[in-house]
Amino acid sequence: SQQGEEDPQALSIQEGENATMNCSYKTSINNLQWYRQNSGRGLVHLILIRSNEREKHSGRLRVTLDTSKKSSSLLITASRAADTASYFCASFPGGSEKLVFGKGTKLTVNP
Amino acid sequence: DAGVIQSPRHEVTEMGQEVTLRCKPISGHNSLFWYRQTMMRGLELLIYFNNNVPIDDSGMPEDRFSAKMPNASFSTLKIQPSEPRDSAVYFCASILRGANTGELFFGEGSRLTVL
Repeated sequence: SQQGEEDPQALSIQEGENATMNCSYKTSINNLQWYRQNSGRGLVHLILIRSNEREKHSGRLRVTLDTSKKSSSLLITASRAADTASYFCASFPGGSEKLVFGKGTKLTVNP
Repeated sequence: DAGVIQSPRHEVTEMGQEVTLRCKPISGHNSLFWYRQTMMRGLELLIYFNNNVPIDDSGMPEDRFSAKMPNASFSTLKIQPSEPRDSAVYFCASILRGANTGELFFGEGSRLTVL
């Protein structure tokens, strides 16, 4: 079963614009992670935010976490064509050892 | 380190044949996961191992699927007999439990097509 649900399923923007992807989850978590997958490749870890954190930055990435709403968002600022990929949120639900992924947001950045 | 290594990258086989997918995790990692990815179902966790021991195989779809981890540097996922609905990309991932990051490292996947 899916722990996280990303929204939107697909997003198409122009280079230079910001891209925002949202993730909702069902059960309590210790942390939430975001991964990126280029077409035909494996997933790559982007950033992890802990349950006691509200916001975290890494380069052009900004992640927020609202545990009261069980939701997270990933913002990519000043997007580039190379950011074109699918983005997934993931968590260890209820403190389990299994990392469970959402279905992802497919981002297309047009040059 | 070369990262998580999976083989083969692509496999095309006929229904009823046995398929073996292989994975070499990152050296020093103590937990290994097998996932299956399809358009319809997304990323599904099939099974995971801690210290070479299978902990949870509740995601394995049926008895045709089996996974082993004979040592810390090698794991296999076997499908026998294969069926067209098994067509998917199979990913192996490893992690060092107890590390601060909780980050999974993925291989590039094995794309399986069963005709």
